[in-house]
Amino acid sequence: DAGVIQSPRHEVTEMGQEVTLRCKPISGHDYLFWYRQTMMRGLELLIYFNNNVPIDDSGMPEDRFSAKMPNASFSTLKIQPSEPRDSAVYFCASSFDWQDHSPLHFGNGTRLTVT
Amino acid sequence: GIQVEQSPPDLILQEGANSTLRCNFSDSVNNLQWFHQNPWGQLINLFYIPSGTKQNGRLSATTVATERYSLLYISSSQTTDSGVYFCADPVPSGTYKYIFGTGTRLKVLA
Repeated sequence: DAGVIQSPRHEVTEMGQEVTLRCKPISGHDYLFWYRQTMMRGLELLIYFNNNVPIDDSGMPEDRFSAKMPNASFSTLKIQPSEPRDSAVYFCASSFDWQDHSPLHFGNGTRLTVT
Repeated sequence: GIQVEQSPPDLILQEGANSTLRCNFSDSVNNLQWFHQNPWGQLINLFYIPSGTKQNGRLSATTVATERYSLLYISSSQTTDSGVYFCADPVPSGTYKYIFGTGTRLKVLA
């Protein structure tokens, strides 16, 4: 199993540009999560999906952020327009259904720098 | 809101030493997990441990859900154990909204 795959690993962009982060969860996992990690705020859950349906997006900081999961093997997190305060490491994670006591598996993250 | 406190915040050990990391929750513990973030930033799941004790090599974890805490034991530490250790548990009421602690930063010296 290749694990959770994220791309790109690093992204540097200028303020105002659109940024799209990508994630491929582990095959067969029902849940997909997007997290953001900063020194100030630690690991924050932005949104999570169950069977491709967004369940809780209360962590999405503002309307500039949007996430989609068009199928079971792909998700995107988009920031438009990007701002310097969006600079962070963005992680995607996936897991099996809750009742099966499933661990959370993380991708290697995308380090976003907005100048 | 629900608080997740981890202690100690920082820890420096000599190689071969043992250590105990603690995670306290202000609310009920349901599906607690421990993670290790290595110096390259990768987050690795160590344990899924909603209750009881589990062991994996030199690492073991114990969760006492009724008292809302969990412990991670590292024995015979190695330099590769360095990094940040996080605990996380979902908000109750059947969500998957995992709340992460602020972490324990461990450095193991050769």
